[in-house]
This record gives sequence, structure tokens and C-alpha cells, in this order.
Amino acid sequence: GAGVSQSPSNKVTEKGKDVELRCDPISGHTALYWYRQSLGQGLEFLIYFQGNSAPDKSGLPSDRFSAERTGGSVSTLTIQRTQQEDSAVYLCASSKRPGLAGGRGETQYFGPGTRLLVL
Amino acid sequence: KNEVEQSPQNLTAQEGEFITINCSYSVGISALHWLQQHPGGGIVSLFMLSSGKKKHGRLIATINIQEKHSSLHITASHPRDSAVYICAISANTGNQFYFGTGTSLTVIP
Repeated sequence: GAGVSQSPSNKVTEKGKDVELRCDPISGHTALYWYRQSLGQGLEFLIYFQGNSAPDKSGLPSDRFSAERTGGSVSTLTIQRTQQEDSAVYLCASSKRPGLAGGRGETQYFGPGTRLLVL
Repeated sequence: KNEVEQSPQNLTAQEGEFITINCSYSVGISALHWLQQHPGGGIVSLFMLSSGKKKHGRLIATINIQEKHSSLHITASHPRDSAVYICAISANTGNQFYFGTGTSLTVIP
């Protein structure tokens, strides 16, 4: 496809269950980002992948959150033992490459998001 | 402590008005981004800039690195411009992005 895709678009789960959210970035984009947007709040950075480098996990809110990126393309965000406060829209974005001097200075293309509701 | 502050939080304008949304930040940056989020939730990147000024159609973004301030202007506003506009910065240390809380714009016909 032409854009970033995410699946599922909506997910309802029970507290304590694990969930997996998928992101397919734009082909050829080496940088991939996960964000979270809680109801009524702003966007929150979660994790960043760049090529084959170790991901920057500094934004992950707890050790229940983890993410992988296989083959430098598809990424999966996993939330273990979900809690009600995990309810949010989880957004994925990709960009061609990082900016100069390691800065994140490239236009990001956002996916439609996965709306997660933890009951 | 918010690394990015936006103002105003909410803005209502009449169609045709000139609109300005402001963004101030407190850390060194490699780039500043303006994003647009429509009611359906989709996010579109409008601008990415590290200096000066960029223009795209009726949208203009400026940045003053010394003052750590950016503005997004919309000329001849239209109801379809109604959306949440979000300022985001990529810090020049590490990989962190910081987001403003957004400005909700409503343009009335």
C-alpha cells in the first residue's frame, strides 16, 4: 500500500490480557515510531526503530510494553497484562531516514491508529 | 514540566480569517513538526522545519531558533481547516519526540 497501515483498527480486551498491535510502514522507510494518544491528552512517544540499530525504548511507560521490528519492516507493539489506563489510540509512523547528525528531522507519515479499549 | 507549549488551546474563527497558532519549546531541537489531526483521528504531517519559514498553499510555518518559538499561520481560513493542530519537536539529544497538547481549531462558515 501507499501509506502506513495498522491492525487491528479497533481492539477491545479484558484487563489482564495481552494484546499485539501491528504496524506496516511505508516500503523503504527505515525509521519507525510508536506513539500513544490517550483520551483528551496529547501524543506520547513510546519507541523508535531505525534500521538495524537497537531501538530507543525510552518512552515505554512500563515493562509490560515491548515492541519488535522484524526484517526492518513490520513492527509489533505488545502490551502484556493490560490495564484500563492502557486504553488509548496507538499510532505508528514511519519516515525515510533520520535527519542529519542523528536528529529526527524527517517528515513522518502516520498510520490510522489502533483504538485499544481495556475493560 | 512540558517541553512544548501551544497556544491557544482552542480557537474559533470565521471563514476567511487569518489564524495564528503558537508553539514554544524549552529544549534544543533538531527539527520542529506541525501536525494536523482531523476529527476522525488521522494525523497528517504539515511541516517539518529547523529554520526560517515554509509555505504550503494557505499554510505558513515559521520558526525562530534563538527564541525557541514557532508559529503556524492559516490564511483565508476555511471550515475544512477545522482540526487539531499539534506542534512536536525532535530533541537534538536522543531520539525523543515531545508533543504539545494541540490547538483545536473550528472555522465557522
